[in-house]
Amino acid sequence: QVQLQESGPGLVKPTQTLSLTCTVSGVSISSGGAYWSWIRQHPGKGLEWIGYIYYSGTTYYNPSLKSRLTISVDTSKNQFSLNLSSVTAADTAVYYCARRTRYADFDYWGQGTLVTVPS
Amino acid sequence: QSALTQPASVSGSPGQSITISCAGTRSDVGGFNYVSWYQKHPGKAPKLMIYDVSNRPSGVSYRFSASKSGNTASLTISGLQAEDEGDYYCSSYTSNSTFYVFGTGTKVTVL
Repeated sequence: QVQLQESGPGLVKPTQTLSLTCTVSGVSISSGGAYWSWIRQHPGKGLEWIGYIYYSGTTYYNPSLKSRLTISVDTSKNQFSLNLSSVTAADTAVYYCARRTRYADFDYWGQGTLVTVPS
Repeated sequence: QSALTQPASVSGSPGQSITISCAGTRSDVGGFNYVSWYQKHPGKAPKLMIYDVSNRPSGVSYRFSASKSGNTASLTISGLQAEDEGDYYCSSYTSNSTFYVFGTGTKVTVL
């Protein structure tokens, strides 16, 4: 059973860097065949794709976040991470990690973690 | 990139069928057969219900079906059950540089 679990601070100060980690169990990230993704949902709003990474380290980012975003992978820990710099209140959201194996859907998700950036 | 448009809420009685629409454009829903649907219960991880317009992943009830016509996709839940209550989101691949666009979400209520 594939499981994903987000972890990280729930409160980040403005201008600081938001850092989250997704721990994957039930499948090895290094086995390939999947893109490991971050998706967020602003309060009361829809979902927004942030970006994803392949086990090799190849990344794809949402252009609107690209200048502040780094996604990395640690295959030895079976984890991947999100770093979003220079955060503002607009980055307050529930952040989800998810797996993409086919072309355009996400078949497993974490439960999500709320990150608040006070204004 | 604008979100795909879904009705804010849809309701039905147990046993009835309901349909949720997901309106997009030729750049997303209408241009690709890559529409997916997700069910979200409070405090739980989103669950993939449909992929590639009309395919059900293993373990998803046959009561969930989906289709697409032009720039609009639809999810139908037949034989509505109390456990079907929750939020539903559509998603599509997009030719926009964001790659993926999600719907605004629909709250399903079982009366």
